[in-house]
Amino acid sequence: NAGVTQTPKFQVLKTGQSMTLQCAQDMNHNSMYWYRQDPGMGLRLIYYSASEGTTDKGEVPNGYNVSRLNKREFSLRLESAAPSQTSVYFCASSEGLVGGQETQYFGPGTRLLVL
Amino acid sequence: QKEVEQNSGPLSVPEGAIASLNCTYSDRVSQSFFWYRQYSGKSPELIMSIYSNGDKEDGRFTAQLNKASQYVSLLIRDSQPSDSATYLCAVKLWGTGNQFYFGTGTSLTVIP
Repeated sequence: NAGVTQTPKFQVLKTGQSMTLQCAQDMNHNSMYWYRQDPGMGLRLIYYSASEGTTDKGEVPNGYNVSRLNKREFSLRLESAAPSQTSVYFCASSEGLVGGQETQYFGPGTRLLVL
Repeated sequence: QKEVEQNSGPLSVPEGAIASLNCTYSDRVSQSFFWYRQYSGKSPELIMSIYSNGDKEDGRFTAQLNKASQYVSLLIRDSQPSDSATYLCAVKLWGTGNQFYFGTGTSLTVIP
């Protein structure tokens, strides 16, 4: 059981380049999330998918798009990278129980540097 | 207004002491509360979850929830140097499509 996996682990981009961060979970979870973590800012939600086929904006969605490819996979795309998107990106998943007592499990993170 | 507030610290305690971490939240319909530990350069890992008022104990960790005062705390007894990390408080709100809100974290250092 790998849990939540993310690729790549580290990426350097030039301003204006595009890339897709991949995330997959093998826990049969319904909900998946993308966060970014910056020093002193904590974890901020970019987008989430409460269930397969749905996606919703979080706190900081500008400059990002997501795709819930299937129940296992949730990708995050930067169409035109900017230096302000330099951050550590975490994918997470949870059972997605409405009103439920559930836990989020995090992937190892992707460190992105935009020059 | 931020949903979840934590004292950023840093908090330093001697080995063997009790470390006390606090978190307040703004929304009265918050339903679930979590404490995560994050080592430098690593991803957050769950330590405790608590859903009802009162105390919940798990080994050296005790989570305390007071919904009337809108705070949740984490006590670490017999603190060890390996407990040195950033501790994140998270809250799940009712009716937000399963969104979790995180505080900025409290940095804890346990001094041998």
